[in-house]
Formats: sequence, C-alpha cells, structure tokens
Amino acid sequence: AQSVAQPEDQVNVAEGNPLTVKCTYSVSGNPYLFWYVQYPNRGLQFLLKYITGDNLVKGSYGFEAEFNKSQTSFHLKKPSALVSDSALYFCAVNHNQGGKLIFGQGTELSVKP
Amino acid sequence: NAGVTQTPKFQVLKTGQSMTLQCAQDMNHEYMSWYRQDPGMGLRLIHYSVGAGITDQGEVPNGYNVSRSTTEDFPLRLLSAAPSQTSVYFCASSYSSPTGVFGNTIYFGEGSWLTVV
Repeated sequence: AQSVAQPEDQVNVAEGNPLTVKCTYSVSGNPYLFWYVQYPNRGLQFLLKYITGDNLVKGSYGFEAEFNKSQTSFHLKKPSALVSDSALYFCAVNHNQGGKLIFGQGTELSVKP
Repeated sequence: NAGVTQTPKFQVLKTGQSMTLQCAQDMNHEYMSWYRQDPGMGLRLIHYSVGAGITDQGEVPNGYNVSRSTTEDFPLRLLSAAPSQTSVYFCASSYSSPTGVFGNTIYFGEGSWLTVV
C-alpha cells in the first residue's frame, strides 16, 4: 500500500534562513509526488509536482523540491524564508499504477521575523 | 474563472440532522472528489467521481452520499450528522484522474467548516 509521511508536525525558521519541510513516501510503482500549501481558513493550493525527469522541481513562490529515489524522499525547500510562507504544508503521493492520492498529515511552518 | 466553489463555508448542525455541502467547478473537469481534513490526519478521501453519473467510495465513505448529475456539480450529503463528522470538508477537481498515470493536479475549494453538536 502506498503511504506518505511528514515526520515533523512543526518547523520553525527565522526569516531569511533556508527552510526544509520533509516528506518520505512508499509506493509500489513509480511515484507521482505533490506539495500543497494551506493558508489559515483557506483551501489547499498547488505548489509543485514531480512526475518524471529532473529530480529538482521548481514551483510557485520560490519553492523547490528534490526527488530522491534511493531515500524515497521529496523534501520541500526554499533558500530564503519569508514570514508570509507561514502555513500548513502537505505532501501527497500517487503512483503510475493508479490508486488514490494519499496525503501526509501536514507540517506547520512558522517563519519568525 | 471561479475554479472550485463550495458552500456553505461554515455550518453548525445538531446530531441527527441532514444537510448537503454544495460544490461546483467551472473548469470542465471530469474528476471531482470530496476530502475531509482532521488534525494530525491530513486529508482523507470520502467519495469521488470520474464523470457525470459515475461515483465511487474513498477511504471514509460511511455516513456520506454523493451524486454527479452534471459535470459541474458534486454535492456531498450527510444523511444523519454525528459529532464524529465535525471536520473541514474540501471539494476538489482535476482534468483527469488525480490518481491516473499523468499525475494531474488537483484544484481545491476553499473548504467548508462543519460542526456537529
């Protein structure tokens, strides 16, 4: 069965510092990986996805994520965090054999001035 | 372009009451789905539809019904509300199956906050 884990419930970063939000996955086929962001009292917004090709994926708002097949990870990164990046981040996984899109439990990112 | 529109945004129900959460999309997407979001559990799929007239169950379908009479609309019905259904509900749509071979992006509505007392 496919699954996705976000090992950190919360990540705290100072503004201007780099940030990483971790995600690991388990699927039986080739994974399709997604990152979504949720601002308070709002729906989820798509950030980026990995389907195939270059392991480094660039997305919205300066975020990027690196697909690492050997470590089964898809960590979200940003070189310089902004206070406005504070939100709830979800990793999600599917695979090319069909099935459902599975979401991680979410990581609360807090960026302090 | 409104995207995915959900109503109502907030609702309080008494145990045993029924209600319908409305969802509409204007992107001509074939696939629509309903998720519920609970603290520490991420999003869990309730029901989904691959096109008008076709629906199927997700991970947590009990206590919910859906129908898909048009491409645009995908209402979620709570038959007899229970406190365990207190949650945030998200409707979503995508061009093709979000679980299909092309990894299509899902677009979410703004959410409906439901409290059952």
